Amino acid sequence: NAGVTQTPKFQVLKTGQSMTLQCAQDMNHNSMYWYRQDPGMGLRLIYYSASEGTTDKGEVPNGYNVSRLNKREFSLRLESAAPSQTSVYFCASSVKLSGANVLTFGAGSRLTVL
Amino acid sequence: GENVEQHPSTLSVQEGDSAVIKCTYSDSASNYFPWYKQELGKGPQLIIDIRSNVGEKKDQRIAVTLNKTAKHFSLHITETQPEDSAVYFCAASKKDSSYKLIFGSGTRLLVRP
Repeated sequence: NAGVTQTPKFQVLKTGQSMTLQCAQDMNHNSMYWYRQDPGMGLRLIYYSASEGTTDKGEVPNGYNVSRLNKREFSLRLESAAPSQTSVYFCASSVKLSGANVLTFGAGSRLTVL
Repeated sequence: GENVEQHPSTLSVQEGDSAVIKCTYSDSASNYFPWYKQELGKGPQLIIDIRSNVGEKKDQRIAVTLNKTAKHFSLHITETQPEDSAVYFCAASKKDSSYKLIFGSGTRLLVRP
């Protein structure tokens, strides 16, 4: 059981380049998320997908787009990368237990924008 | 919106001692409070959570307490071991926006052998 799988694990981009981070989960979870982690700032929600076919903005959506391709896959796209988007990105999926969404995270993707 | 503050940012304890990490939240409607442990190079992993209808929850060496009046919750680790060394995050969410889990800034715990 792989859980949440993210690719790539590392990526270096130049300012203005585009790229897509891929995420897949095999736990049959309805909801999926993209977070970014920066030093001293914890994890901040970029976008989430409550269910297949829906996406919504989180705390820091500017500069990103997402696609919920199917129930298993949720991708994050940077159309024109900026140095401020240098970060570690985490994908997560969740199951709802007693009204709360319990998240399972992937291992992360480290992105550097030069 | 919700804001979660976490203290201390770093904590160093001797093996066998206890460690306490504290978080405060701003939105009194928050009702779910998980704690995540992140080891080096890995994603955060849920270690324990508590809901607003409970004041304390224990799981072996770890426990979480919640004070709704004061809007703070704490993680307690007893008999610490070197493998407890990691970054710990608290978080909070509320029923009408349960998809938006707001995280604290993290505590780096070092357990000295």
